[in-house]
Amino acid sequence: GENVEQHPSTLSVQEGDSAVIKCTYSDSASNYFPWYKQELGKRPQLIIDIRSNVGEKKDQRIAVTLNKTAKHFSLHITETQPEDSAVYFCAADGRTGNQFYFGTGTSLTVIP
Amino acid sequence: DTGVSQDPRHKITKRGQNVTFRCDPISEHNRLYWYRQTLGQGPEFLTYFQNEAQLEKSRLLSDRFSAERPKGSFSTLEIQRTEQGDSAMYLCASRAGLTEAFFGQGTRLTVV
Repeated sequence: GENVEQHPSTLSVQEGDSAVIKCTYSDSASNYFPWYKQELGKRPQLIIDIRSNVGEKKDQRIAVTLNKTAKHFSLHITETQPEDSAVYFCAADGRTGNQFYFGTGTSLTVIP
Repeated sequence: DTGVSQDPRHKITKRGQNVTFRCDPISEHNRLYWYRQTLGQGPEFLTYFQNEAQLEKSRLLSDRFSAERPKGSFSTLEIQRTEQGDSAMYLCASRAGLTEAFFGQGTRLTVV
C-alpha cells in the first residue's frame, strides 16, 4: 500500500512568519492529496487539497504544492497567527482511492 | 448540525466487554470510512463502505472488529471482547464520490 512520510514532526514559528510542512508518498498512482488540521480534542478538518493534475493551489494564506515526479507535496502557511497552532496531517489516496493514507502529523506552534 | 455525527462521544468499558459505535454520515454521501487514531499519531484506516458494500478492510481489523452499513446510510462498528490495546479515538468520515472527506468528532474508547 501507500506510505506517506511527513516532516517535521514539530514546528515552532514566530507569529507572522511562514511555516512549511513536507510530505512524500510512495505510490505514483495516488491522485488526491488533502491536508487536515486537527486541534486538540477535535475532529480533523480539511484545510486544502490538491489533485494530481495540478501543481499548486492557493487559498488565502494557505498553499499546497505538488511534485508528481518526485512524489512529494508541501503545505505553506504564510503570515502565521496563533490560531494556526494545531496538528497538521497530510494524506494521499493510494492506488484504489478507497482510503486515505495519513502522515504522522506535524505539531505547529505559532508563538505570539 | 448537518455534518458527520458519531455516537457516543466517549465510552469506557471493561476489558472483555463488547462495544458498538454509530456513525451518521452527511446525507447523500455514498462513501463512508472508519479510522482509528491514537495519541500523537495520524488516523489509521480500518474499513471503507461504498453505499452498503464494504469494499476494503485493513489488516488492523481483526476478527473481533465488525462493521456494517445496512442501508447505505448510517454505519456501526462493533468491537467484541475488547482489549486495552483497543483504547483509541475511532473516527468516521464520509464523502460524496471523490470529493473532500468530512470527519466526525469521533468516539473515544477507553478499555479498563
